[in-house]
Amino acid sequence: EVQLMQSGPEVTKPGESLKISCKASGYSFSTYWVGWVRQVSGKGLEWMGIIYPGDSDTRYSPSFQGQVTISADKSISTAYLQWDGLTASDTAVYYCARQEDIVAPFDYWGQGTPVIVSS
Amino acid sequence: DIHVTQSPSSMSASIGDRVTFSCRTSQSILKYLNWYQQKPGKTPKLLIYAASTLQDGVPSRFSGSGFGTDFTLTINGLQPDDFATYYCQQSFADPRGFGQGTNLEIK
Repeated sequence: EVQLMQSGPEVTKPGESLKISCKASGYSFSTYWVGWVRQVSGKGLEWMGIIYPGDSDTRYSPSFQGQVTISADKSISTAYLQWDGLTASDTAVYYCARQEDIVAPFDYWGQGTPVIVSS
Repeated sequence: DIHVTQSPSSMSASIGDRVTFSCRTSQSILKYLNWYQQKPGKTPKLLIYAASTLQDGVPSRFSGSGFGTDFTLTINGLQPDDFATYYCQQSFADPRGFGQGTNLEIK
């Protein structure tokens, strides 16, 4: 069974760093893309970027380029989303999701990680 | 960037109705358009990919069509479980963004 298990809720302060995770199971992690999607409360879905764990090819939305870092450790089938210097506008739920190839949809999703940034 | 525009932003309908959702892109994306359903507090669910292919396990009352820049999601015979927000997403080119969503409410 394909599963994407995300790390738990985070409450942090502005300026802090944070790394959330997405552990995959039930499929060959290295051969599928993993993407990250942001959803601010009451708003729509925002595509942040994707990574191919097999060769670490990473693509970012211009809206998030330089604001976050997407990475993956294929030895433990885990993808990461990282911030260096959070702001209140980063408060949102973050989803990871899998896609089979570069033009495929997100077919499996993690449960979402809520991140609250507040002083 | 390819802009993805959904219309309407919200709509209301009754059980048993046929409803259609529109999604337009600012340039051709061939057939690479996907539809998702999201209920409040829940993870998005893939309904249709490549414009018209039904994801496994999705009821046949859902269908998709379109090519190039204009796409449609249709639900034939609305069921109570269908009231949700629907998003389209282009997966043709980076950034593979979503439309703003259409909220389907009960009339």
